[in-house]
Amino acid sequence: NAGVIQTPRHKVTGKGQEATLWCEPISGHSAVFWYRQTIVQGLEFLTYFRNQAPIDDSGMPKERFSAQMPNQSHSTLKIQSTQPQDSAVYLCASSSDRVAEQFFGPGTRLTVL
Amino acid sequence: GDKVKQSPSALSLQEGTNSALRCNFSIAATTVQWFLQNPRGSLINLFYLVPGTKENGRLKSAFDSKESYSTLHIRDAQLEDSGTYFCAAEGPNTNKVVFGTGTRLQVLP
Repeated sequence: NAGVIQTPRHKVTGKGQEATLWCEPISGHSAVFWYRQTIVQGLEFLTYFRNQAPIDDSGMPKERFSAQMPNQSHSTLKIQSTQPQDSAVYLCASSSDRVAEQFFGPGTRLTVL
Repeated sequence: GDKVKQSPSALSLQEGTNSALRCNFSIAATTVQWFLQNPRGSLINLFYLVPGTKENGRLKSAFDSKESYSTLHIRDAQLEDSGTYFCAAEGPNTNKVVFGTGTRLQVLP
């Protein structure tokens, strides 16, 4: 079991560009979560899916951020018109139906110049 | 807001000594997870708890939902225990978790 896979591990974008982050959950897990980690704000919940359906996006910034889960094997987090304050480590986690324990990927470090 | 408060925020221990970390919740937590974030940034699962206790080697954790707190005890601390420890609480009727601010632990030789 490869665990949760996130790509890329590092991404550098210029201000105003788009960034797409990918997450592959653990095979068989039905729930996928996105979090963001910064020094100032710590670990913040963004959004989550269960069985590919969006359940709770209460942590997502209202503009420029969107997340999708087109199939059970991957989810994407897209940030349009990136800003320097979007710089953070974006973490993806997955959990199964039976047990809500979340397992995290290694994260994508996004740097917006 | 500070729905999950962790203490202490930082801690230095001599190798071989014991310590306890704590999380207090202002939400009605139903489950608690403890993680260690290593220097590379990876979050390593330590415990997943419903109310009760679990033990794994030199680590022991307890979760009291009525008193709204959880503890992580480290026995015989080793250098590889260094890192940042996070607790995360799951509230009722949701699967999302709220993270504490972390305890940065440094184990000294």
